[in-house]
Amino acid sequence: EPEVTQTPSHQVTQMGQEVILRCVPISNHLYFYWYRQILGQKVEFLVSFYNNEISEKSEIFDDQFSVERPDGSNFTLKIRSTKLEDSAMYFCASSESETSGYNEQFFGPGTRLTVL
Amino acid sequence: KNQVEQSPQSLIILEGKNCTLQCNYTVSPFSNLRWYKQDTGRGPVSLTIMTFSENTKSNGRYTATLDADTKQSSLHITASQLSDSASYICVVSSGTYKYIFGTGTRLKVLA
Repeated sequence: EPEVTQTPSHQVTQMGQEVILRCVPISNHLYFYWYRQILGQKVEFLVSFYNNEISEKSEIFDDQFSVERPDGSNFTLKIRSTKLEDSAMYFCASSESETSGYNEQFFGPGTRLTVL
Repeated sequence: KNQVEQSPQSLIILEGKNCTLQCNYTVSPFSNLRWYKQDTGRGPVSLTIMTFSENTKSNGRYTATLDADTKQSSLHITASQLSDSASYICVVSSGTYKYIFGTGTRLKVLA
C-alpha cells in the first residue's frame, strides 16, 4: 500500500542552523501539507502546497519557513535559522484531491526535530 | 475564535467495552470534520470524514456522529481492543485548507 515517507526520522541541530526536512508524498497525490506537533500539544497546520505554490499557510509559517518541491517526488520543509521553540515532530501529509471536503490526507511517520 | 475542544482528555477502559469520545467546535465556516487515530510517535491515520450534511459515518468498529446545529461530534468505539490504545483527534476543516486540530483524547485499553 502506498505511503508517505519522511526523512530523517530524527534530526538534532544547533540553534541558528538551517534544517531541511524531506518528504516523499504518495505518487499520484497533488496536494501536500506540513504540520507540526510540539511534545504534549496538539497538531498544528503549517502550510499546504498545490501546483508548485503555497495554497494556504498558518501564522506559524513565518519567513523562517519555506517549502519546495524540487523534483517530481520530494517535498521539503526548510527552517532557515532554527530556534529552540522549533523543536517538535513535523508531519508531512498528502492528498489526491481537494474536492467536496473529502480529501483524505495521508500522514507520514514524522521527523522529530530537536534544537539544542 | 476557531477552536476544537475534546473530552475527556484521557480515558481508561477494559478490553471489550465500548466508549464514546466527544468533540465540540466553534469553527466557521465549516467544511468537514475528521476523526484521526494517532499512535504514539506516529502520524495520524484517518478514521472518518464527514461533511455538513452527514449525521453518522462508520468505519468498522468506529462510528462517528455529527450534529452541525449544536457543533458537536462523537466517536463511538465498539468492543474495544488493546490495539485501540492511542490518541483520537478531532479535526475541523474551515474552508479549503485550514485545519483546526483538537488536543485529542488519550485512550488506554486494558486487558
